[in-house]
Amino acid sequence: NAGVTQTPKFQVLKTGQSMTLQCAQDMNHNSMYWYRQDPGMGLRLIYYSASEGTTDKGEVPNGYNVSRLNKREFSLRLESAAPSQTSVYFCASSVGQFSYEQYFGPGTRLTVT
Amino acid sequence: SQQGEEDPQALSIQEGENATMNCSYKTSINNLQWYRQNSGRGLVHLILIRSNEREKHSGRLRVTLDTSKKSSSLLITASRAADTASYFCATEGLNTDKLIFGTGTRLQVFP
Repeated sequence: NAGVTQTPKFQVLKTGQSMTLQCAQDMNHNSMYWYRQDPGMGLRLIYYSASEGTTDKGEVPNGYNVSRLNKREFSLRLESAAPSQTSVYFCASSVGQFSYEQYFGPGTRLTVT
Repeated sequence: SQQGEEDPQALSIQEGENATMNCSYKTSINNLQWYRQNSGRGLVHLILIRSNEREKHSGRLRVTLDTSKKSSSLLITASRAADTASYFCATEGLNTDKLIFGTGTRLQVFP
């Protein structure tokens, strides 16, 4: 069991470039989440998917899009990267939407110059 | 906006001592969770306590919840150097389906 995997681990982009962060889980979880973590701050929810086929905005969705490709995979796309999107991005999954612990991936460290 | 605020922001102790971290939140909750994050890693779930529970234990961890004061505490007993990490509380509010994380407490345990 790999748990939650994320690719890539590190990425440097120039302003205006696009990229997709990949996330996959092998725990048969229904819900998946994308967070960003900035220095000295907690995690902020970008988007989440309560179940396959659904996605919803979190606290900071501007500048991002997501795709729940299937039950295992949930990708995050930056269409036109900005320096303000420099952050560490974490994907997480949980059995269900309410009152369940979340399992986190190792993170993607993104720098936008 | 942050729902949970941890206190203190940083804590340094010696191995064998107990470490206590506090979390305060603003609105009514379904549950509160504590997570640990080692440097450069993802978060790891420690304990979930529901709004109708007052105390939970897991190994050397003890979590309390006081819904009247909108606060929780995490106690790590007999700390070890391996407990060095950041600790976050996260709350699931009523009528929401999302966790809101606090800003964390950085714990340093010296051998």
